[in-house]
Amino acid sequence: AQSVTQLGSHVSVSEGALVLLRCNYSSSVPPYLFWYVQYPNQGLQLLLKYTTGATLVKGINGFEAEFKKSETSFHLTKPSAHMSDAAEYFCAVSKMNSGYSTLTFGKGTMLLVSP
Amino acid sequence: GAVVSQHPSRVICKSGTSVKIECRSLDFQATTMFWYRQFPKKSLMLMATSNEGSKATYEQGVEKDKFLINHASLTLSTLTVTSAHPEDSSFYICSARVAGVGEQFFGPGTRLTVL
Repeated sequence: AQSVTQLGSHVSVSEGALVLLRCNYSSSVPPYLFWYVQYPNQGLQLLLKYTTGATLVKGINGFEAEFKKSETSFHLTKPSAHMSDAAEYFCAVSKMNSGYSTLTFGKGTMLLVSP
Repeated sequence: GAVVSQHPSRVICKSGTSVKIECRSLDFQATTMFWYRQFPKKSLMLMATSNEGSKATYEQGVEKDKFLINHASLTLSTLTVTSAHPEDSSFYICSARVAGVGEQFFGPGTRLTVL
């Protein structure tokens, strides 16, 4: 069975500060890992994904994440927060042997950015 | 490319009535569509997987007779909430998987309020 744990339901940062959103996963097979962002009353937008290859993945809006198999982690980072980054962020895992067939989401982390 | 739309974006209905939500892939063919439910300040829970031309596969705990899913074409899937009750009030999000690629693209969501 797969599961995703996002540490911290809320993360607060100041504008310009480092953003770090934590995600740990559990999977019986090599995983595909995703980060999505959701703005209020909207659907999900893919930020980045890890499938195979390079473990440091760069996404949109300056975000990146690093797959660390030994730590079963896929933390999301951004060097400098912007006010527009305030949103809900979801980490998700999918089973590699079935492609992208189903996604299991974490509970989400709300990123708050203050001036 | 890879745009998914949902209609309506917001619906309010009386208890006991049925509501249909449409999910369309606008610029690609989607062999598989997924329906999620999101409670306030909660993560997305997969309700069912819908394959074009065949019966939907429901997740454990999801009532098939209450949440009717039809995937009649490669660009359209519908979710009908039958005999809706206030506890069915939620944010419903669909996603569509690009045939041959596998990545899921999400719709903007439908806010259902049952009075």
